[in-house]
Amino acid sequence: GIQVEQSPPDLILQEGANSTLRCNFSDSVNNLQWFHQNPWGQLINLFYIPSGTKQNGRLSATTVATERYSLLYISSSQTTDSGVYFCAVEHGTGTASKLTFGTGTRLQVTL
Amino acid sequence: GAVVSQHPSRVICKSGTSVKIECRSLDFQATTMFWYRQFPKQSLMLMATSNEGSKATYEQGVEKDKFLINHASLTLSTLTVTSAHPEDSSFYICSATNRDRGYEQYFGPGTRLTVT
Repeated sequence: GIQVEQSPPDLILQEGANSTLRCNFSDSVNNLQWFHQNPWGQLINLFYIPSGTKQNGRLSATTVATERYSLLYISSSQTTDSGVYFCAVEHGTGTASKLTFGTGTRLQVTL
Repeated sequence: GAVVSQHPSRVICKSGTSVKIECRSLDFQATTMFWYRQFPKQSLMLMATSNEGSKATYEQGVEKDKFLINHASLTLSTLTVTSAHPEDSSFYICSATNRDRGYEQYFGPGTRLTVT
């Protein structure tokens, strides 16, 4: 099956710093989503990004589907950005389409 | 928009009993719902996919007789863990999508199951 690897696995930042999270996938995909899982377990949709670049406030994401990777940029990090960031790739067709999640990046933002 | 709820948020049950978890799409019709399981400090693993009105499709290694999934309406899916054992303790998360409007999945807040 498709493999989805994220790096780094763990990241500690001081508040105000910038970071880049990476997601590599092993096969072509239909789509890609980025999520933030907060400390209570809720997954929050950040981006739905099959290709190109999108921005939302301090966050932006770029997917290069032909090279099978996506990047999530966090600028001016805040303590509320702490949690686990997952990318998930959508593959399969029609009713067999499903998401495979990456290994995750655990981010801790300190004061 | 695109809000998904789960109930209960937390449940403790005794070994051998059954537990039902509900997943509802509150402001859209979900043609497809998914059930995931997440163990501590691990990623989400897809258990099964359910399309409204048809039988669920289970991922390899997931026992369909143990994890009963029903998707009776466009806004409700249920997961029943039958004859629960301590190794079934986990965080169960559902998601929903409307395939007529795209494939983006929206996730519920999760249910933490502890089997004693």
